[in-house]
Formats: sequence, C-alpha cells, structure tokens
Amino acid sequence: AQSVTQLGSHVSVSEGALVLLRCNYSSSVPPYLFWYVQYPNQGLQLLLKYTSAATLVKGINGFEAEFKKSETSFHLTKPSAHMSDAAEYFCAVSVPWNNNDMRFGAGTRLTVKP
Amino acid sequence: DAGVIQSPRHEVTEMGQEVTLRCKPISGHDYLFWYRQTMMRGLELLIYFNNNVPIDDSGMPEDRFSAKMPNASFSTLKIQPSEPRDSAVYFCASSLEPGRDGFTGELFFGEGSRLTVL
Repeated sequence: AQSVTQLGSHVSVSEGALVLLRCNYSSSVPPYLFWYVQYPNQGLQLLLKYTSAATLVKGINGFEAEFKKSETSFHLTKPSAHMSDAAEYFCAVSVPWNNNDMRFGAGTRLTVKP
Repeated sequence: DAGVIQSPRHEVTEMGQEVTLRCKPISGHDYLFWYRQTMMRGLELLIYFNNNVPIDDSGMPEDRFSAKMPNASFSTLKIQPSEPRDSAVYFCASSLEPGRDGFTGELFFGEGSRLTVL
C-alpha cells in the first residue's frame, strides 16, 4: 500500500521567508499526490495535486510542489511566507484508479513569525 | 455548488450518551468517506460508501460506532454509547468515482464536527 512521510511536524518561518514543507511518498505504482491545507477549525482544502501531468504543479495562494520520482518526493514550497499561511498542511497519496485508499501524512504545522 | 455539509459543527455530550453526526455530500458524488482526526493518531479513515453501499468499515474502532447512508444525499455516523476517548473532529468527505467526467482524485472535505465527550 502507498504511504507518505512528512518530515517535521512543526515548521516556523519569518514573514517573507521561503516556505519548504517536505513530503516523501512510497507507492508501488505511479501515484497521485496532493497537498491539503487546514486552517483552524476548518476542514481540509486542496492546495494542489499531481496527477501524472507536469511535474511542477502550481496551486492556490502562491504554493507549488515538484514531483521528483528519483527522490520519491513531493515537497511544497512558497517563495515568500505570509501571515495568512499559518495552518496545518497535509501531504496525501493515492493511486489513479482508486482514491478510496488515500493515505495522509501526519501533518506539518506552519507558523509564520512577523 | 455547495460543498460537503456537516452538522453539528460542535457537540458536547456526557459519557454514555448517543451521538449522531450528519453529512450531506456534494451532489453527484459517488463516494462518501468518514474520517476521524485526533492529535495522537492524525487522520484516520473510519468507513467509506460507494453509491450508498458501505464498502470498507475496517477503520471503525468498535461496535459502538455505526454509519449509514440511506440515500445519495445523506449519511450519519453514530456513536452509542459515547466515551471520552471518542473526543475528536469527525470529517466527512466525498468524491467522484474514478473514470467519471470531472474525476481528479481529490477528496472534498466538510468543515468537520468537533465532538467532546465529558
């Protein structure tokens, strides 16, 4: 079965600094990969997804992620953090023909300091 | 289009009481999922339905938990009797079936029901 590992349960950056949230996946077949964001007291909202097209995926709010098969990674980046980016971020993996077995990482809480 | 709608958003109850959480999926979606989120265990899939039929309930923690989907627009998750360790945020999510027009693999989540059992 597929799985994801998010490195770092907490990441703290200064406003304006680069955001890098790490995700490594394991899958025996070409995966679909997702980043979701969860703001306090809200549900999970899709930031971006990789579904076997372009390896560099752009999402909402200036975030992007690059699928690197050789590194089995799908790290999330944003060039300049904003206070409103403070939230919990989840990486998830599924297989193209079956999103019933989507596996989520443990989450990374992003703090943005003024 | 309205998203996934869950109710109640917050529920505080006493141990031993019955709790019913409700979910309305996005119209036209074929799959409905119930997840539980806790600090200790993260996001756990409890059960999912395909076309109103329960497919996999292996994540349901014990017999005190039950879920139903009487029609395509409504599902319930019931806990009876509730215990303090059931305190968590319960999410409902829905999606299209793979192969259908518009399928992206994405799960669409509701805002969750925060349950506190005293």
